[in-house]
Amino acid sequence: NAGVTQTPKFRILKIGQSMTLQCTQDMNHNYMYWYRQDPGMGLKLIYYSVGAGITDKGEVPNGYNVSRSTTEDFPLRLELAAPSQTSVYFCASSGTGGRNSPLHFGNGTRLTVT
Amino acid sequence: SQELEQSPQSLIVQEGKNLTINCTSSKTLYGLYWYKQKYGEGLIFLMMLQKGGEEKSHEKITAKLDEKKQQSSLHITASQPSHAGIYLCGADPLGSGAGSYQLTFGKGTKLSVIP
Repeated sequence: NAGVTQTPKFRILKIGQSMTLQCTQDMNHNYMYWYRQDPGMGLKLIYYSVGAGITDKGEVPNGYNVSRSTTEDFPLRLELAAPSQTSVYFCASSGTGGRNSPLHFGNGTRLTVT
Repeated sequence: SQELEQSPQSLIVQEGKNLTINCTSSKTLYGLYWYKQKYGEGLIFLMMLQKGGEEKSHEKITAKLDEKKQQSSLHITASQPSHAGIYLCGADPLGSGAGSYQLTFGKGTKLSVIP
């Protein structure tokens, strides 16, 4: 099983450039999430989605946008990259979003903005 | 907002030794999740604890939830190099709402196991 697949694995952006981080899952999960992980800071929720067509902000949404046109895909868009967005980004999914449903994570995208 | 404090921040143990990692919450714990992360990889789900006093084991890893103390512990018996990585706890804030699942994570404990 592929699970949650993220592309690219690494990317270097210049300040002001834009890019889309791709995330797809093949488990037919309704819930999907984007987290960022900064050194020594743990994981912070950027955006999440409870199903196709529905998205909502997490703890740190500024500078990011998302869309959820299908159950499988949940891309994260950076419009004007800033050095503060240098981080490792993780996409995750869960079956029901309830408390009995653990998150399944992708392997991450390591982004550097210079 | 709920905060999770993990201790220690890092740990170096000799292969074969036992170790314990703690996760303490600033608020009442409803559910507590343990994940393991290796460098360059995503987080792997280890265990989920939902009730005070609950204890779960998988191979040589045991996790307990002390709801009164708002704390969970992860214990590894007879550690092996394969146990090395970063262990993170995640908590589901009480009252996060039906259909909502926004875990708060601790900063992680980095475990190194020396052969």
